[in-house]
Amino acid sequence: QQQVKQSPQSLIVQKGGISIINCAYENTAFDYFPWYQQFPGKGPALLIAIRPDVSEKKEGRFTISFNKSAKQFSLHIMDSQPGDSATYFCAAKNTGFQKLVFGTGTRLLVSP
Amino acid sequence: DSGVTQTPKHLITATGQRVTLRCSPRSGDLSVYWYQQSLDQGLQFLIQYYNGEERAKGNILERFSAQQFPDLHSELNLSSLELGDSALYFCASTPLGLAGNEQFFGPGTRLTVL
Repeated sequence: QQQVKQSPQSLIVQKGGISIINCAYENTAFDYFPWYQQFPGKGPALLIAIRPDVSEKKEGRFTISFNKSAKQFSLHIMDSQPGDSATYFCAAKNTGFQKLVFGTGTRLLVSP
Repeated sequence: DSGVTQTPKHLITATGQRVTLRCSPRSGDLSVYWYQQSLDQGLQFLIQYYNGEERAKGNILERFSAQQFPDLHSELNLSSLELGDSALYFCASTPLGLAGNEQFFGPGTRLTVL
C-alpha cells in the first residue's frame, strides 16, 4: 500500500512534443505529490508538487494533473526540449509522516 | 543548487570496512533525511532526524546508523560494508520543520564497495 507505481520506464519524445509520465498510488492517506527531476550525477531536484484538493497545477511548461478518485497523477511537459532529458520521479507523502515514497523513475530523452 | 551539501562526492572502499557520509542541511532547516538510491531498489528512505533527534526510520539496515549534531549537520555511518551497499546516498532537508513537505536534496555521495 506504500507503493507508487510509475510508467513508462523510459520515454523518447521529439523536440517540441509533449512528454507524459503517469503515476498511481494506493494509500489514500497520501496528501502531497511532488515530481523530481534528476540529471546524471546530481541529486533529485523538486520540480512541481500538488495536493489532492486541486486537479491541476501548472508551472511554466510543467503541469501536474491529479485524479483523486482514480488515485492517479501525471506530469505533462509541454514543448519538450533536449535540456529536459533527465530521469523523472514521482513521489507521494502523508503530511503526518516524513518520508517520501518514490516511483521507480522514468528516463526521458528528448531528441533534437 | 539546493543549498544542501554532502561530502565526500565519491567514496571507494572494500568489503567489511566502515565509512561516514556527511550532510549539511540548508540554512535554517532542522530536518535531515537520508535516502539510498540503487539500480534495483530505486530511491529508498533510510532515516530522518529533526533538531538532533531521530524521528522516523525506514529501510535502514542495522549496520547503518546516523546522527544529527547540534550544528544540525548529519552523518550516516555505514559499517561492515557489503558489495550490495554500493549506491548513491542522498540527504535532504525540509524548511518549516516537521510541518514541511518539500524536501530539497543534496548532490549525493556515490559509494562503491569493492
